[in-house]
Amino acid sequence: RKEVEQDPGPFNVPEGATVAFNCTYSNSASQSFFWYRQDCRKEPKLLMSVYSSGNEDGRFTAQLNRASQYISLLIRDSKLSDSATYLCVVKSGSSYKLIFGSGTRLLVRP
Amino acid sequence: NAGVTQTPKFRILKIGQSMTLQCAQDMNHNYMYWYRQDPGMGLKLIYYSVGAGITDKGEVPNGYNVSRSTTEDFPLRLELAAPSQTSVYFCASSQRGNEQFFGPGTRLTVL
Repeated sequence: RKEVEQDPGPFNVPEGATVAFNCTYSNSASQSFFWYRQDCRKEPKLLMSVYSSGNEDGRFTAQLNRASQYISLLIRDSKLSDSATYLCVVKSGSSYKLIFGSGTRLLVRP
Repeated sequence: NAGVTQTPKFRILKIGQSMTLQCAQDMNHNYMYWYRQDPGMGLKLIYYSVGAGITDKGEVPNGYNVSRSTTEDFPLRLELAAPSQTSVYFCASSQRGNEQFFGPGTRLTVL
C-alpha cells in the first residue's frame, strides 16, 4: 500500500464549479500535512498547510481527519488558472522527509 | 533572493556517461533534498541532507551520489547513466523540514 494515495483524476469541471479532492495516508504517526500545486512541467509549490482544526485560504479549504487518516482540499468558484496537479504531502513526526502523493489532476474548462 | 537554482535545465546523456546536477540555494536553509519525478508519477526522494557534511539516503539512492560541503550547494552525481535514470530531477530546500522550496528542475534523458 502506498504511504499517500490520491485519485489521479483528471477532474474536468466548468469555471465556477466547486471541486473536492481527497487523500489518504497510511502512517498514523504522521504529524504534518500539506497541499502542493504543480503546474505542467514546473516545480511543485506549497498551496497550503493542513491543520487539525481545518483551515481556509480564500477559495481553498483544507480539512484533516486523523481518525480516518485522510485529508481533503475543497476549491470553490474554480478558475481556469486553477488547472494543475494537486499533490497531497505528509510528514511523519520528527522526520525531515516529506512523502508526496502522485497527485490529482484538475482541468477547469471555460 | 534567487531561491533554489538548478543547472542544467536539460541534458541528454549516453548510456554509461556520468554527470553532475548542480543545486544551490541562497536562503540559508539547513535541509536540502533531491527528488526524481517520472511521467505521471509522484516525487521519489533520492538523497537528503540536514546540514553541511551530513547526507543520507532516501527511497531510491542507487546509481546516485551526493555531497554537501557547504550550506548553499548540494550536487547530485550520476555515475554510469542508465535509461532508467531518464526523469525530471528536482532539488529542494527547507528551513525546518516543513515547507520545501523547489528548484525549476533538470530534465534528463539517457539514450
